Amino acid sequence: QKEVEQDPGPLSVPEGAIVSLNCTYSNSAFQYFMWYRQYSRKGPELLMYTYSSGNKEDGRFTAQVDKSSKYISLFIRDSQPSDSATYLCAMSAGSNAGNMLTFGGGTRLMVKP
Amino acid sequence: SAVISQKPSRDICQRGTSMTIQCQVDSQVTMMFWYRQQPGQSLTLIATANQGSEATYESGFVIDKFPISRPNLTFSTLTVSNMSPEDSSIYLCSVATGGADTQYFGPGTRLTVL
Repeated sequence: QKEVEQDPGPLSVPEGAIVSLNCTYSNSAFQYFMWYRQYSRKGPELLMYTYSSGNKEDGRFTAQVDKSSKYISLFIRDSQPSDSATYLCAMSAGSNAGNMLTFGGGTRLMVKP
Repeated sequence: SAVISQKPSRDICQRGTSMTIQCQVDSQVTMMFWYRQQPGQSLTLIATANQGSEATYESGFVIDKFPISRPNLTFSTLTVSNMSPEDSSIYLCSVATGGADTQYFGPGTRLTVL
């Protein structure tokens, strides 16, 4: 079993839809949770960063962390064709673990006009 | 955050040759990381490169194959040695800045080995 599980998709939605992307994990030491967006032929771009459980909102994006269930989500409201990309979740146990990131496999999202 | 550049952006290489990838950051950072992303896959950490110390390699990666230099706080190189087609990947550097427990990535270097 992988340490971080993420549905690879592809996930295809119409423009304007609400998108839900999810990851589950097994390591209870993870405290920092990130979502990266990666366009084709580009490096990953940090989208959202949260610490411990709770919600964080930034424009059309909301990140949720439920440490009790070891489950994190990224919601995209009013999705746009420009949101079409691969979304990678990543997690870290922090500086005590050398700031090492463990990545999910990525979910490919396609938003159709 | 940090602005990170990589050179080259892409290259086509012959089997058996070596390629050195450069990573430049616009600010001084302690921790730099090198990743490999094979086609259609997620990121795999190759090594952590801290200035003033030897790079720390992850399981499955060795210094002879992936030598790393870290001469100062803004620059690092990764060499992919004696390349084979299996080394065809995107190679990414990243940095951890300030007190944030996260990383920022460069644009990547796409290597194709024939």
